[in-house]
Amino acid sequence: DQQVKQNSPSLSVQEGRISILNCDYTNSMFDYFLWYKKYPAEGPTFLISISSIKDKNEDGRFTVFLNKSAKHLSLHIVPSQPGDSAVYFCAASAVENTGNQFYFGTGTSLTVIP
Amino acid sequence: DSGVTQTPKHLITATGQRVTLRCSPRSGDLSVYWYQQSLDQGLQFLIQYYNGEERAKGNILERFSAQQFPDLHSELNLSSLELGDSALYFCASSPGTFVNIQYFGAGTRLSVL
Repeated sequence: DQQVKQNSPSLSVQEGRISILNCDYTNSMFDYFLWYKKYPAEGPTFLISISSIKDKNEDGRFTVFLNKSAKHLSLHIVPSQPGDSAVYFCAASAVENTGNQFYFGTGTSLTVIP
Repeated sequence: DSGVTQTPKHLITATGQRVTLRCSPRSGDLSVYWYQQSLDQGLQFLIQYYNGEERAKGNILERFSAQQFPDLHSELNLSSLELGDSALYFCASSPGTFVNIQYFGAGTRLSVL
């Protein structure tokens, strides 16, 4: 049962343009959402997050939008740079008694073309 | 460098065997999380420990177990290995129990032949 879904396995964008990565979720109990970036042979690296009580969070070139009614999350990268080429994972967390449960999507591979 | 160390980087073993994966969290982090990433799959949350105690459990098989030691390093034990257990296993750490941002190690790639 995939509670976090990234339906686009890959995305190609020209350098300087906007990259939009999408994520859908099913569990309305998720209280926090995160985006991680992963390069080959490395572990995921935290990029940006958003609480369920907000609808937008911005950090430099990265902005995450949350649409709770649609259970949809998106990551905007503007402008896109070749170094942004990586796999991006969407994740969601839910408090479970004494700890946190985390759910990850299957990732979107972003290629930024110079 | 995230500060999280996982050993070994690669592990090749046979079906039916038992292996132990090791994780040293970032200095000062009390929570450790284990994840499994199979081919073309997302990261599947297995288990969380905080300061030596189990705090959250995901879809961890009964053949798998974990523990966190007093020095805060953690081990994931996989037994009666099957071909389907071949995957990348990640460890992550965070400062507290309910802190959402995690720092990941580079992973251990397990191949079961």
